[in-house]
Amino acid sequence: DTAVSQTPKYLVTQMGNDKSIKCEQNLGHDTMYWYKQDSKKFLKIMFSYNNKELIINETVPNRFSPKSPDKAHLNLHINSLELGDSAVYFCASSKGTSGIETQYFGPGTRLLVL
Amino acid sequence: GQNIDQPTEMTATEGAIVQINCTYQTSGFNGLFWYQQHAGEAPTFLSYNVLDGLEEKGRFSSFLSRSKGYSYLLLKELQMKDSASYLCAAQTGANNLFFGTGTRLTVIP
Repeated sequence: DTAVSQTPKYLVTQMGNDKSIKCEQNLGHDTMYWYKQDSKKFLKIMFSYNNKELIINETVPNRFSPKSPDKAHLNLHINSLELGDSAVYFCASSKGTSGIETQYFGPGTRLLVL
Repeated sequence: GQNIDQPTEMTATEGAIVQINCTYQTSGFNGLFWYQQHAGEAPTFLSYNVLDGLEEKGRFSSFLSRSKGYSYLLLKELQMKDSASYLCAAQTGANNLFFGTGTRLTVIP
């Protein structure tokens, strides 16, 4: 019954590896997002997809590549992981992008790069 | 650019009232959101304001002044479980949310 779910919850990996984080929402929403929350708890948007199309792409290294196979899923693939990628990554979804739409967050994936 | 300011930390007593202020400067503005985030958990939606004025929701109220670029979250009858971070976020453009760094509220007995 979880509205927005992410896997894995924890991810510990070595520098240079490639990893993926998956996100799924069962709310019937059209828009999904990826956020990064750093050690200072600053939450910053990375990407946003509406109906599988990219609509927001903030200044993020191109090692990060989102993929949306359908509007209920938005996965995040990270190549050549760096120490600075260690953070909590939150997925979120909203009904759409017009007007005021509340975003609902997943439980987060805690990534630690060693 | 986008800039959102809120106090880093606040402490208040159980049963009291606390006001958390937020000022924002954004290019394009649709509305102001408040989220609550307990340690190690996801942010959860509390309220949003589009028009100037006060929105009340039980023990929580939020105020917005668009001309001043100012909002506050008011928490009444504080409970210990209200100890959390409170994130102010301005919505711009295509539902893009810009968050402040959050205010960590500690409620003491």
